[in-house]
Amino acid sequence: AQSVTQLGSHVSVSEGALVLLRCNYSSSVPPYLFWYVQYPNQGLQLLLKYTSAATLVKGINGFEAEFKKSETSFHLTKPSAHMSDAAEYFCAVSGGSNYQLIWGAGTKLIIKP
Amino acid sequence: EAGVVQSPRYKIIEKKQPVAFWCNPISGHNTLYWYRQNLGQGPELLIRYENEEAVDDSQLPKDRFSAERLKGVDSTLKIQPAELGDSAVYLCASRAGTSTDTQYFGPGTRLTVL
Repeated sequence: AQSVTQLGSHVSVSEGALVLLRCNYSSSVPPYLFWYVQYPNQGLQLLLKYTSAATLVKGINGFEAEFKKSETSFHLTKPSAHMSDAAEYFCAVSGGSNYQLIWGAGTKLIIKP
Repeated sequence: EAGVVQSPRYKIIEKKQPVAFWCNPISGHNTLYWYRQNLGQGPELLIRYENEEAVDDSQLPKDRFSAERLKGVDSTLKIQPAELGDSAVYLCASRAGTSTDTQYFGPGTRLTVL
């Protein structure tokens, strides 16, 4: 069975500071991993995805994530936070015969001016 | 290219009333998903369609929920009768081809059951 754990339901950083959102997964098969962002009252938008190519994945809006198999992690980072990054971020894993996405509970990113 | 369209965006009903949500996926996307998202949680899959066939509905509470995707394009999700615990955001997503392809989400329908 697959599962996703996102550490920290809320993360607060100052504008211009490093953003680090943590995601750990468990999967019995090689996983595909995704980060989605959800702005208030909007649907989910793909930030980036890992599908077994390069382990460092670059996404939109300056975000990137690194797949670390030994740590079963797929943490999301951005060097310098912007006020517009305030949103909720979801990590998801898929794999197995039907490639159903299994979602983490989400991390709300708060940007302090 | 138009994204996934959902309507209505918001719905407030009293318990025991019926409610329906509509989704039009991105043109050419064969796979359609309905998710339920409770406050502070990630989406939970309710049902997945491949064209007009429901291939995964194991999480759909079939005593009160039903869905259809006639002609393999747009889809309707219905709840009858609604319960207080059904208050949530109902998200529709679509996907084009292979399993690693991105799921594209609509804005969701926020349901409040009073």
